Amino acid sequence: EPEVTQTPSHQVTQMGQEVILRCVPISNHLYFYWYRQILGQKVEFLVSFYNNEISEKSEIFDDQFSVERPDGSNFTLKIRSTKLEDSAMYFCASELGRGLYNEQFFGPGTRLTVL
Amino acid sequence: GESVGLHLPTLSVQEGDNSIINCAYSNSASDYFIWYKQESGKGPQFIIDIRSNMDKRQGQRVTVLLNKTVKHLSLQIAATQPGDSAVYFCAENGEAGTALIFGKGTTLSVSS
Repeated sequence: EPEVTQTPSHQVTQMGQEVILRCVPISNHLYFYWYRQILGQKVEFLVSFYNNEISEKSEIFDDQFSVERPDGSNFTLKIRSTKLEDSAMYFCASELGRGLYNEQFFGPGTRLTVL
Repeated sequence: GESVGLHLPTLSVQEGDNSIINCAYSNSASDYFIWYKQESGKGPQFIIDIRSNMDKRQGQRVTVLLNKTVKHLSLQIAATQPGDSAVYFCAENGEAGTALIFGKGTTLSVSS
């Protein structure tokens, strides 16, 4: 069964450093998402991406964040200058995007630890 | 979704019992509701969904009930098994391509 994959599974970085989190969505899906989950809290939407551009973003997704789909398979989230409060699980999701309502499939997540 | 009144952050049941997990969602314009299961260290996994034009949908051992009048969603798990132990989240959303809004999770613990 097709699945969303994410790398790395765990990233440790120093405050102020740049990190890039990588995702490979399901191949025929059209919509891509990043969500984050601070330990013990609910999953929060960051950004959605469609047709090679951001379609929606939350207040969390400030100028420190950017997304890119550099080729036909990868979808990346970059945090330019990490802060302690960026420590969280980051989940990528993809959605087929055909029809009115679609399931979003989530990857296993990347645990980001900012020291 | 948010948890107002009906939400319990933890639910402990015995194996074989039926479990009911509740969620109060926030946006009356939401058209589509999903229950996700999240096991420790993993991403959310789809369990069952329901559209706003329905009030009940059944899957294998799971049933979702939707009450739009009071903006309430529930997940019923029949004959709960130890493998059902996880955090359960309700999520609401609009049409394809829109962000999921997750509620606070409920941790289900099933003891043998």
